[in-house]
Amino acid sequence: EAGVAQSPRYKIIEKRQSVAFWCNPISGHATLYWYQQILGQGPKLLIQFQNNGVVDDSQLPKDRFSAERLKGVDSTLKIQPAKLEDSAVYLCASSSQPNSYEQYFGPGTRLTVT
Amino acid sequence: AQTVTQSQPEMSVQEAETVTLSCTYDTSESNYYLFWYKQPPSRQMILVIRQEAYKQQNATENRFSVNFQKAAKSFSLKISDSQLGDTAMYFCAFRDNQGGKLIFGQGTELSVKP
Repeated sequence: EAGVAQSPRYKIIEKRQSVAFWCNPISGHATLYWYQQILGQGPKLLIQFQNNGVVDDSQLPKDRFSAERLKGVDSTLKIQPAKLEDSAVYLCASSSQPNSYEQYFGPGTRLTVT
Repeated sequence: AQTVTQSQPEMSVQEAETVTLSCTYDTSESNYYLFWYKQPPSRQMILVIRQEAYKQQNATENRFSVNFQKAAKSFSLKISDSQLGDTAMYFCAFRDNQGGKLIFGQGTELSVKP
């Protein structure tokens, strides 16, 4: 079984530029999570999808971040415009259902904003 | 709101020795899941062990075991016979029952020395 795929693995941009990250969850997994992990901290949920609907986006800075999960499979997370404090690792995870205890994580995308 | 606290930013242990990582949490829920995740330099989050709060028996997975004290809201991880490959960041996490998101602690960086 293929794991959660993410791309790119690394991205360097200047502040005020835009960037997009892509996530392909494990096949058949209905729930998809995007976490932000700032250096030296634990991951923090940005947004959670159940199929193609948003379950929780309370921690998503909606003035600059957006995310979508068209057709309930792949997902993209976008930042526009980026700020220095957005430098972090962006982790995507999926689970078969919201009440499934195990989340499977992708390798993450390391974003550096200069 | 649930919170997770790891009070040991860094720890080191000699190869083959035993080490214990500490974690405390706060919640008003009576049934929940707790996890320990390992994050090596590759950034891939790997599930180490999980504990269901309604189970009194402490979880064990090979060299990894937990000491779950529900009344004290404490959830420590014991690694026996430490190996060089155990070197990584370790995160304690609480699973939110509402949507399934994980709430992580700040992490403990473990170094296993030869």
